[in-house]
Amino acid sequence: EAQVTQNPRYLITVTGKKLTVTCSQNMNHEYMSWYRQDPGLGLRQIYYSMNVEVTDKGDVPEGYKVSRKEKRNFPLILESPSPNQTSLYFCASSFGSERGQPQHFGDGTRLSIL
Amino acid sequence: GNSVTQMEGPVTLSEEAFLTINCTYTATGYPSLFWYVQYPGEGLQLLLKATKADDKGSNKGFEATYRKETTSFHLEKGSVQVSDSAVYFCALKTGGFKTIFGAGTRLFVKA
Repeated sequence: EAQVTQNPRYLITVTGKKLTVTCSQNMNHEYMSWYRQDPGLGLRQIYYSMNVEVTDKGDVPEGYKVSRKEKRNFPLILESPSPNQTSLYFCASSFGSERGQPQHFGDGTRLSIL
Repeated sequence: GNSVTQMEGPVTLSEEAFLTINCTYTATGYPSLFWYVQYPGEGLQLLLKATKADDKGSNKGFEATYRKETTSFHLEKGSVQVSDSAVYFCALKTGGFKTIFGAGTRLFVKA
């Protein structure tokens, strides 16, 4: 089954404790992206990757890191989480950048930073 | 810059009512337009899309027509069901690696 898998689905942690949210897709997609979803703001792009070892900032990259060492995986790293990073996070992938290509989303990771 | 504006929710309807969720956009270039749906506890799923003016996207009884003259892509369904309760996102993409999403509209359908 074609899917984007994120882990964990839920995490409660404390300020400053490094965490990683994993994302994996089995569709051989080149493009992957991370979003955060906050009430009234829709989805905002954090980082995206066009292919292995190629990443770039989205609209709200501060406080986040990413890496793309393999085509299927695109982890999101919070080196020193803060309460304003409490949010619902989604990983997404697509075949490419053509304007008609939709994105495929994971089920989300709800992070609470205390 | 590019942007998407959709009607604020929540929208509450009775089963079998007619649904319209308004979406307008601003874009440089020629965007493709999408509607995504998010069911509780799940990620977004593509509902329908249109890639050029006057195209109509349709799926599961939902429809939306790409109106370039009014820069709109309103979502409609003739008879909603309780199972349609979800959050609906309008989005645009002009190529490159950015998809712009609206703020989302929550729909509640009562039996």
